[in-house]
Amino acid sequence: SAVISQKPSRDICQRGTSLTIQCQVDSQVTMMFWYRQQPGQSLTLIATANQGSEATYESGFVIDKFPISRPNLTFSTLTVSNMSPEDSSIYLCSVETGGISSGYTFGSGTRLTVV
Amino acid sequence: SQKIEQNSEALNIQEGKTATLTCNYTNYSPAYLQWYRQDPGRGPVFLLLIRENEKEKRKERLKVTFDTTLKQSLFHITASQPADSATYLCALKRVSGTYKYIFGTGTRLKVLA
Repeated sequence: SAVISQKPSRDICQRGTSLTIQCQVDSQVTMMFWYRQQPGQSLTLIATANQGSEATYESGFVIDKFPISRPNLTFSTLTVSNMSPEDSSIYLCSVETGGISSGYTFGSGTRLTVV
Repeated sequence: SQKIEQNSEALNIQEGKTATLTCNYTNYSPAYLQWYRQDPGRGPVFLLLIRENEKEKRKERLKVTFDTTLKQSLFHITASQPADSATYLCALKRVSGTYKYIFGTGTRLKVLA
């Protein structure tokens, strides 16, 4: 299965600022997924990033708040913009490799705290 | 509304016993169901996938059952070890029109030595 390098692993940010999270995959993948995991909550899909096209956002998430880049088949970034304390969460990227029976591979996550 | 329920209370069991975790869902007809393990500060790690037409799937000490009538999946770890202590998540996907999985909140398992 794929190996994902995600960074930063954690950060503490001031409200009103932005943070960009990076994910690098060791193989080419068509789709990359960005999730948010708030304390005690399930993973919630933010958006799906395809190379060469605009990301597809889930209900409740908008591009102005969470712009995504996907410049090639191995890399993607998620920016959390104009942050507020409600954005404090763990953010994870994910890919599907090896077909449906192989499940999804996740990055190690970015723990974001907004103060 | 569609809902996935996993026991939010932690499950404590003695080493060597079988741990059984439950995933119930409502208003949903999943074609695929996955189980993941998540350790603190880490991303989920895929364990097993079971299809709607499969009753049971095994992998080493792990066993998953899928009952589409009861709308329930059971996840078993036999001969449990302290190293099995983690949070276990189930995730569901419908067959058509979506590649997206919906995740449960997970159940924390603690295996006591």
